Amino acid sequence: EIVLTQSPGTLSLSPGERATLSCRASQSISNNYLAWYQQKPGQAPRLLIYGASSRATDIPDRFSGSGSGTDFTLTISRLEPEDFAVYYCQQSGSSPWTFGQGTKVDIK
Amino acid sequence: QVQAVQSGAEVKKPGSSVKVSCKASGDTLSSYTINWVRQAPGQGLEWLGMIIPVVDVANYAQKFQGRVTFTADKSTSTVYMELSSLRFQDTAVYYCACGIGGAPEFWGQGTLVTVSS
Repeated sequence: EIVLTQSPGTLSLSPGERATLSCRASQSISNNYLAWYQQKPGQAPRLLIYGASSRATDIPDRFSGSGSGTDFTLTISRLEPEDFAVYYCQQSGSSPWTFGQGTKVDIK
Repeated sequence: QVQAVQSGAEVKKPGSSVKVSCKASGDTLSSYTINWVRQAPGQGLEWLGMIIPVVDVANYAQKFQGRVTFTADKSTSTVYMELSSLRFQDTAVYYCACGIGGAPEFWGQGTLVTVSS
């Protein structure tokens, strides 16, 4: 099973700042099948990025994904008030699909 | 736009089973895979497995093998997740999530399953 480790656990930033979230895999993810989700309290996760770098439908371009192999990054170029949430990475390169433990982006 | 609507909250006793439904809009089941993901209170996300309704093939995470079953009723565009031998640790919100490929885009609203004696 591929273990995904996200860092940092919590990121405290102000609106307008840049957020950089990391996701490291215990082994290489085939075909870069790495996705990022945003989750707010009481809501289902929302797909942001798939295939490591492709934005999902209607996702603003301030969200971008990069990386390959075992190291992946989600960048939010300028934080908007609605971006404060928990972010999860997820791999589907091998079964079982696995998720990282999450990074919470909160308001400084 | 695909919509997935799940059945309501359940309270079950340890050792019993629960069956959660996920009704998808339109012709979703002919094109999409349906994944099941759960989230224990205050915890992260855990994948239980997936079903491809058009060919009736399911893939279960090994952790849940033998305890979980996914079925699809194409006539009503509904997929079911049944989890048996419930334990306290199975208390969680269970989500169905529809998509093409490995990153499901359309999620149900979640179904809270509480296991309590």
